[in-house]
Amino acid sequence: DSGVTQTPKHLITATGQRVTLRCSPRSGDLSVYWYQQSLDQGLQFLIQYYNGEERAKGNILERFSAQQFPDLHSELNLSSLELGDSALYFCASSVAQGSSYNEQFFGPGTRLTVL
Amino acid sequence: GIQVEQSPPDLILQEGANSTLRCNFSDSVNNLQWFHQNPWGQLINLFYIPSGTKQNGRLSATTVATERYSLLYISSSQTTDSGVYFCAVEYYGDNDMRFGAGTRLTVKP
Repeated sequence: DSGVTQTPKHLITATGQRVTLRCSPRSGDLSVYWYQQSLDQGLQFLIQYYNGEERAKGNILERFSAQQFPDLHSELNLSSLELGDSALYFCASSVAQGSSYNEQFFGPGTRLTVL
Repeated sequence: GIQVEQSPPDLILQEGANSTLRCNFSDSVNNLQWFHQNPWGQLINLFYIPSGTKQNGRLSATTVATERYSLLYISSSQTTDSGVYFCAVEYYGDNDMRFGAGTRLTVKP
């Protein structure tokens, strides 16, 4: 158990819908990262938050957004869902951003299926 | 472009055999991690190893940062070692981890 929790574990929805994925980082970790794992694109970084502020953006679509709350949990919002958004979404956390030690620990993932 | 390349893409072993997985990267790294993705999809941390050598039981890893590669050694493999092994790097100046395509390991009894 990495200490990172994600809910829900599975999500099945229809095209055009909107969903919210939730992540709680390890106790003491200030950075939260979101990744998408799909069959054709592999594991890709989406976005990072550090202590409530957005710090880095990767291959995140405009239909997707995220935020980190004062209690440091994070939510990833996916809207206008398309079939191609079906994937495993991971959250990871680390102690700090930009430090010499930045080991990331991953949650169990949320498997999203868009029908 | 900045790459993370893993080899081999697939590996089939008999239980008890040893193996070496390789990760090549294209620039100086601030962070390098090895993960095992089990059949249930969970990413399990194996090593945080931007440089040097570490060992944990039957697994060990070495990163030679100056030559831009890392190796993961699995000795006396077991069926529970099956899954996909990922190398991920964080390059200096970046805030994200870039993953290789993985090595799919199958250990047969």
